[in-house]
Order: sequence, then C-alpha cells, then structure tokens
Amino acid sequence: GQSLEQPSEVTAVEGAIVQINCTYQTSGFYGLSWYQQHDGGAPTFLSYNALDGLEETGRFSSFLSRSDSYGYLLLQELQMKDSASYFCAVNEAGTALIFGKGTTLSVSS
Amino acid sequence: NAGVMQNPRHLVRRRGQEARLRCSPMKGHSHVYWYRQLPEEGLKFMVYLQKENIIDESGMPKERFSAEFPKEGPSILRIQQVVRGDSAAYFCASSPESVGHEQYFGPGTRLTVT
Repeated sequence: GQSLEQPSEVTAVEGAIVQINCTYQTSGFYGLSWYQQHDGGAPTFLSYNALDGLEETGRFSSFLSRSDSYGYLLLQELQMKDSASYFCAVNEAGTALIFGKGTTLSVSS
Repeated sequence: NAGVMQNPRHLVRRRGQEARLRCSPMKGHSHVYWYRQLPEEGLKFMVYLQKENIIDESGMPKERFSAEFPKEGPSILRIQQVVRGDSAAYFCASSPESVGHEQYFGPGTRLTVT
C-alpha cells in the first residue's frame, strides 16, 4: 500500500535550524515534493526532488535518498512566520500527489 | 496573473442536498486536481482532469461524487445527497503541462453538512 510517514509535531525557537523527515512507501515514484500550509489555507509548493541529493532554495533545503525511500526538509534561520504545517508528497505516477499527514511546526521567540 | 480560484469559500448543506464546488485554474494551466482534507489530516487525492477528460478518478468515491472540467468554464466537483462525513475542506490545484509535482492550490471550499 501507499504510506508516507512524518513526525506530527516539531517545535523550535527563532533562528534555529529544524529538519522534518519523511519516509515513504509507494508503488511508483517520480519524486518527493514539500508543501507548506498556514492555518488550513492554500498549500504552497516549497521544493521538489526527483534525484538523490540536496536542493537549496533560500532558507529551505530538501534532500532525497531514493535507495532509502527517505527525504527531509531543512529550514534554517527560523522565523515566527515559518510556523505552519509541512507536508511531504510523492508524485507516484507523474500526476496526482500522495500526501503525508503533515508536520506542525511551532516556532517560538 | 490570478491564482487558482475556488468558490464558494464556505458552503453549508443539509443532509441529502447537493453540493457544487467550482474551481478556475491558473491562466495557462490545463491540468486540474481535486483533494479533500479532514481536520488534522493531509490532503487526499480525489480526481485529476484535463479539459473535457477525466484522467484519474481513483481517489473519488464511486457513488454520489462526480467531477467535470468542460471546454469552457470552471471545473466542478459535485456531491449528491451529502452526508455528515462529507464535511471537509476541498482543495483544487492546477499545474502546467506535464509538471504534476508543482501544483498551485486554491484557497479551498469548506463544506459543512448539518
């Protein structure tokens, strides 16, 4: 069956670095995406990894290891506005996304 | 460039009524996806459409639910004879040709069934 596992909650302080892990088990795999969602609003795309390695986009980086079926999202220089839910999602067949249940990140001052 | 638009933002229906949710994709996007999200849960894929075609409806319940994306006008997700369990947030997303991993989401429609 399909499953994506990620921690349900993570807490950190402003300025810190936090890593949100995601392990997946799907029948197909094109790549791993990360989305951010504030307070049930529209999810917004953060990053995508199709190949092994690290992708960096400003304060956010994402990593993928296809052999380990594992990836992570790294958030640096945390700000209060980064408090949100973060979802990993697998592009299984090149079309629809399979989402994890999300990780709620709380950033405190 | 306007983003993905959904309406209504909030919809209240009594059990047994019909709910119609509309989605206008971003300009230039021909691929539309519908997802459902329950509180404290991730988004669950329902259906993927291109203009006038349903490409993948594997996530959609076989009964009471239908979707369309006509040649002209928005995509419609239709739920007939709603039940309390249909209460959820329904998100629409769109993507450019063959770029399914980067999807642009609308603000969602919150459906409440009383």
